Amino acid sequence: KAGVTQTPRYLIKTRGQQVTLSCSPISGHRSVSWYQQTPGQGLQFLFEYFSETQRNKGNFPGRFSGRQFSNSRSEMNVSTLELGDSALYLCASSLSRLPYTGELFFGEGSRLTVL
Amino acid sequence: SQELEQSPQSLIVQEGKNLTINCTSSKTLYGLYWYKQKYGEGLIFLMMLQKGGEEKSHEKITAKLDEKKQQSSLHITASQPSHAGIYLCGAHDNAGNNRKLIWGLGTSLAVNP
Repeated sequence: KAGVTQTPRYLIKTRGQQVTLSCSPISGHRSVSWYQQTPGQGLQFLFEYFSETQRNKGNFPGRFSGRQFSNSRSEMNVSTLELGDSALYLCASSLSRLPYTGELFFGEGSRLTVL
Repeated sequence: SQELEQSPQSLIVQEGKNLTINCTSSKTLYGLYWYKQKYGEGLIFLMMLQKGGEEKSHEKITAKLDEKKQQSSLHITASQPSHAGIYLCGAHDNAGNNRKLIWGLGTSLAVNP
């Protein structure tokens, strides 16, 4: 079956702009979680969506938001971009919600560069 | 809040050698994950451990969660160049009503042929 698909794979934005990233989970998975990965901070949990509702949230400012649609596809949005938002953004899907009882399936990520 | 510390940060080994990576938590570990990542790519699932004393193996990789559930180790036997990458441990942080997954900073492994 198809894996987790993230689009776009690469994008370049300038400070102050906003960006929307998309994640299509594995068919049948209702949980989608988002992560930011940077060299300095490593992999950090942004939030989790399950059945169109945000269930859990990491320690990120309100500029980071997301949503989930009825088909479980999810988007995350970052507004008023800052240089420090440059990162690899990963999403993962799972059958269950946090705390997970099995494998998390990750996408290849969207690499955002903010100039 | 809970933190995960991985050691070593990086490792260079000769092909055929054994190696161990550790993941230590400041609190009891629940649902400990091991993933492998090639630079700039997604994460590949290796194993999930949940019970103290649990040990799982996949091909030449073995992971164990200690009895007190505050440390996990990942052991690779007879390393190969295909084992090269970044190894990440992740765990559930169930503090309060807001749950999340926390991660170690990773261990970068290079295997010289």
